[in-house]
Amino acid sequence: DGGITQSPKYLFRKEGQNVTLSCEQNLNHDAMYWYRQDPGQGLRLIYYSQIVNDFQKGDIAEGYSVSREKKESFPLTVTSAQKNPTAFYLCASRNQGRISGNTIYFGEGSWLTVV
Amino acid sequence: ILNVEQSPQSLHVQEGDSTNFTCSFPSSNFYALHWYRWETAKSPEALFVMTLNGDEKKKGRISATLNTKEGYSYLYIKGSQPEDSATYLCARNTGNQFYFGTGTSLTVIP
Repeated sequence: DGGITQSPKYLFRKEGQNVTLSCEQNLNHDAMYWYRQDPGQGLRLIYYSQIVNDFQKGDIAEGYSVSREKKESFPLTVTSAQKNPTAFYLCASRNQGRISGNTIYFGEGSWLTVV
Repeated sequence: ILNVEQSPQSLHVQEGDSTNFTCSFPSSNFYALHWYRWETAKSPEALFVMTLNGDEKKKGRISATLNTKEGYSYLYIKGSQPEDSATYLCARNTGNQFYFGTGTSLTVIP
């Protein structure tokens, strides 16, 4: 089945450790996105990538890093520099064909808890 | 950041009631408005993509309207069922970026 797979679903880490969240899609989409959700807030964009080997910062990129070495994969690293890493993280992808019409497809999310 | 606002934040309705909620957004530089349905422990699922002022879209008992001049969209659910319980998100995209509202959490009581 085509879709977006995020792993792990739940992750606990100690403060000060880097952690990498995986996102893989088999939809042949060009663009991929990482969002973060906190209680009472809408999804906020961390990073996005429109093409392999290229990515741009979103609204809250500080303390995060990404790579896009393959079209299918867009891993997110939450570094120790991220002050409040505990959150729900959603990966998404989209076909770049038509800017206005094409919707975003989402994974099921990853819960990260830093203790 | 181009704020997208949704109201109400949460809603409880009886099975069989019809309901509606609002998404408001800045009307300038508009490309498209998206509605998603997000059930607990699942991925958000696309409901509608709306691009033209006056657009009206329907999928079963759910429909949506769009007013780009005044910057709002309504989502309507006719004859709510327990399986409609979910969070309904709207998002505005400008070019390649999407800006999401906080969602309306709907609970349909049997």
